[in-house]
Amino acid sequence: DVKVTQSSRYLVKRTGEKVFLECVQDMDHENMFWYRQDPGLGLRLIYFSYDVKMKEKGDIPEGYSVSREKKERFSLILESASTNQTSMYLCASSLSGRRTGELFFGEGSRLTVL
Amino acid sequence: GQSLEQPSEVTAVEGAIVQINCTYQTSGFYGLSWYQQHDGGAPTFLSYNALDGLEETGRFSSFLSRSDSYGYLLLQELQMKDSASYFCAVRDLSNQAGTALIFGKGTTLSVSS
Repeated sequence: DVKVTQSSRYLVKRTGEKVFLECVQDMDHENMFWYRQDPGLGLRLIYFSYDVKMKEKGDIPEGYSVSREKKERFSLILESASTNQTSMYLCASSLSGRRTGELFFGEGSRLTVL
Repeated sequence: GQSLEQPSEVTAVEGAIVQINCTYQTSGFYGLSWYQQHDGGAPTFLSYNALDGLEETGRFSSFLSRSDSYGYLLLQELQMKDSASYFCAVRDLSNQAGTALIFGKGTTLSVSS
């Protein structure tokens, strides 16, 4: 089974702190994604990567950056956390090609910024 | 831009059949996916339709009409454990080869006994 592992299930940070959310997948997937999920807003794409060191902005990239130095690992960075970044963050991965419609998600990281 | 519309809530009783609709507006189209998410859990993949028609997987079926920009998820013989949120999603053709998925806001299904 594909496993997508997010390093922290729950985090509490202070405004202005730098926050790292880590995600690792074990199935050699080319694509990796970061979404945030808020009540009533569904899943919104922050950034994604289709290859090592390659990244593209999603719908809401402001205030975030990403890093993909190895194929299995995709990190989301909040340079200076703000209260409006309090959310559930979901990492996902997928194969390329037709199977791109099938994402495998991690369990999520719930971030609270005080 | 791209957008997806689905009902926010649906209620049903055990044993019933429920249909969750999804209409989409896209500049191009590769396929429509459906995901299930239980409270506190991760979204899990249910189905993917790239061609018109109905695809069945056990109690769940998914339908696509590309000419109508419309699809639905059909859940039969509802069980309490089907209470969850259901999301439709399309591949975003504005980015690298339609790699990323754009999700609807989700439909909360409540199944009662």
